[in-house]
Amino acid sequence: GESVGLHLPTLSVQEGDNSIINCAYSNSASDYFIWYKQESGKGPQFIIDIRSNMDKRQGQRVTVLLNKTVKHLSLQIAATQPGDSAVYFCAEGGPGTALIFGKGTTLSVSS
Amino acid sequence: GAVVSQHPSWVICKSGTSVKIECRSLDFQATTMFWYRQFPKQSLMLMATSNEGSKATYEQGVEKDKFLINHASLTLSTLTVTSAHPEDSSFYICSADRDTEAFFGQGTRLTVV
Repeated sequence: GESVGLHLPTLSVQEGDNSIINCAYSNSASDYFIWYKQESGKGPQFIIDIRSNMDKRQGQRVTVLLNKTVKHLSLQIAATQPGDSAVYFCAEGGPGTALIFGKGTTLSVSS
Repeated sequence: GAVVSQHPSWVICKSGTSVKIECRSLDFQATTMFWYRQFPKQSLMLMATSNEGSKATYEQGVEKDKFLINHASLTLSTLTVTSAHPEDSSFYICSADRDTEAFFGQGTRLTVV
């Protein structure tokens, strides 16, 4: 589940700003964490993942940070663009198990 | 890359009828597939785990007699919504794992009228 005060259901930013989306996960035994982007009417699109033996991973314009001590996951998007507008979900899982999704954050990017 | 294909992408049906949704792994074999449901403005919730050659495992609160799952081959799982009602209207999404990475179908928008 999500920690009260940590998860924001919506985030509005200006084009070019950096965005940070936060998520709290529930299962300390989870060893695989993923961020997905979902546009209206479509299935989730993989953005970036991280294993529990790492605390940071970078992709193209995106960075995922994992803090296992407080069971916190964050997604940083650099130089946010209007095309980044979507709902972002964090998910946790383990080998061969279904993913557990967080509540989602709607990112709105204005020009 | 790996692709999971779902069909149909949207369907409208009358109350009381049944609807079948297909989930195919196009370039890999999947002994396990997962079915999720997503209501408007909510997150994805796992409905059931589809196992090739054996019975599906359903999450608590999901009626197995209403949501029939058949995983007859290593590349195809089907979800049949039987005797559909308006409250079954939702976005249904399947996924399959390859090398520990989850790949999602495009989703099926079901509207029951």
